[in-house]
Amino acid sequence: SQKIEQNSEALNIQEGKTATLTCNYTNYSPAYLQWYRQDPGRGPVFLLLIRENEKEKRKERLKVTFDTTLKQSLFHITASQPADSATYLCALRGSQGNLIFGKGTKLSVKP
Amino acid sequence: NAGVTQTPKFQVLKTGQSMTLQCAQDMNHEYMSWYRQDPGMGLRLIHYSVGAGITDQGEVPNGYNVSRSTTEDFPLRLLSAAPSQTSVYFCASSYSITSGGIVSKKQFFGPGTRLTVL
Repeated sequence: SQKIEQNSEALNIQEGKTATLTCNYTNYSPAYLQWYRQDPGRGPVFLLLIRENEKEKRKERLKVTFDTTLKQSLFHITASQPADSATYLCALRGSQGNLIFGKGTKLSVKP
Repeated sequence: NAGVTQTPKFQVLKTGQSMTLQCAQDMNHEYMSWYRQDPGMGLRLIHYSVGAGITDQGEVPNGYNVSRSTTEDFPLRLLSAAPSQTSVYFCASSYSITSGGIVSKKQFFGPGTRLTVL
């Protein structure tokens, strides 16, 4: 069955550094992959989508890469700020067209 | 636009009780879905709908029913609540975008309903 893994449950970094979150998947070749942000007590919010024919996507301080050979996506936040502290979820398109979510990585940015 | 709204925000039930979680969206999205989120388990799909009158099961459908009589509304019914259904429930809606021959969906989530079954 399709499996999506976010390697770290939690990541702690210092303000100003680049945060890098990893998402790996197995048993599938998704047409696209998405990243969401979730704050405590709230629903996930869409951040970025990257398609299988795209290597990299950027949005302000965010950058996502998609390596279909490694079956991996990396999510980078440059010049991180305490306000970036949240849980970040990756999601891929499953065989039924639904989204399958990873368990998330909780990012804490210390001032 | 209000986006995706869910009611109630919090609910406590006793084992065996039934209830309906409400979900509505005002974005005219054809696709709607229900997820539950549990610690260490991530978001799991319960049921989804690709349009009014069409529903299908997701990963964890047992104990839940859905219907989609209108584009806007997608209620989730718990038939006989069990402690294992204690969770946070999220409703989401999405629309399809076609680019480069790839059809993708961008999900909009509601604020969630925190349900406790005693």
